[in-house]
Amino acid sequence: AQSVTQPDIHITVSEGASLELRCNYSYGATPYLFWYVQSPGQGLQLLLKYFSGDTLVQGIKGFEAEFKRSQSSFNLRKPSVHWSDAAEYFCAVSGAGSYQLTFGKGTKLSVIP
Amino acid sequence: DAGVIQSPRHEVTEMGQEVTLRCKPISGHNSLFWYRQTMMRGLELLIYFNNNVPIDDSGMPEDRFSAKMPNASFSTLKIQPSEPRDSAVYFCASFRASGGPEQFFGPGTRLTVL
Repeated sequence: AQSVTQPDIHITVSEGASLELRCNYSYGATPYLFWYVQSPGQGLQLLLKYFSGDTLVQGIKGFEAEFKRSQSSFNLRKPSVHWSDAAEYFCAVSGAGSYQLTFGKGTKLSVIP
Repeated sequence: DAGVIQSPRHEVTEMGQEVTLRCKPISGHNSLFWYRQTMMRGLELLIYFNNNVPIDDSGMPEDRFSAKMPNASFSTLKIQPSEPRDSAVYFCASFRASGGPEQFFGPGTRLTVL
């Protein structure tokens, strides 16, 4: 069965600091990997996705993520965080032929001025 | 494109009442998913449809829950009778396999059962 682990429930960073959110997955075949962001009271917005090819993927809002097969990881990064990035971030996995998403429990990001 | 549309956005009801949540997927998308989000369990897949046919409903918690997709542009999730533990945010998402497997989410329905 597929699963996603986001080990950090809550992270606080200062505005302008760099950010890395961790995600580890378990999947029997080549995974499709996603990061979604959810602002309070809102739905989920896709930040970026990995299907194949270059293991470093760029997304919206200046985010990027790197797929590391050997570590079963897909960590999300941003070089300089803005106050508007405060939200909850979800990592998810699915696969070819089975498009059901399995989500991690999420990491809540707080940004302090 | 209007995106995935869900209604109502908020629903407050009393235990034992029937609740119907509605979803309109993005035009041209042939797969639709219903998720439930709670603090305790996070985001859980309840059921998904492909070409209006239910493919996997193993996530539906009990017989009190049912979902239908009578046509490509409309789906409902019904809870009858509702219970306080059904209180959650319910999301609908859609995608088109030929366009890539990323799912597009609606804004959600926040359900409160008193």
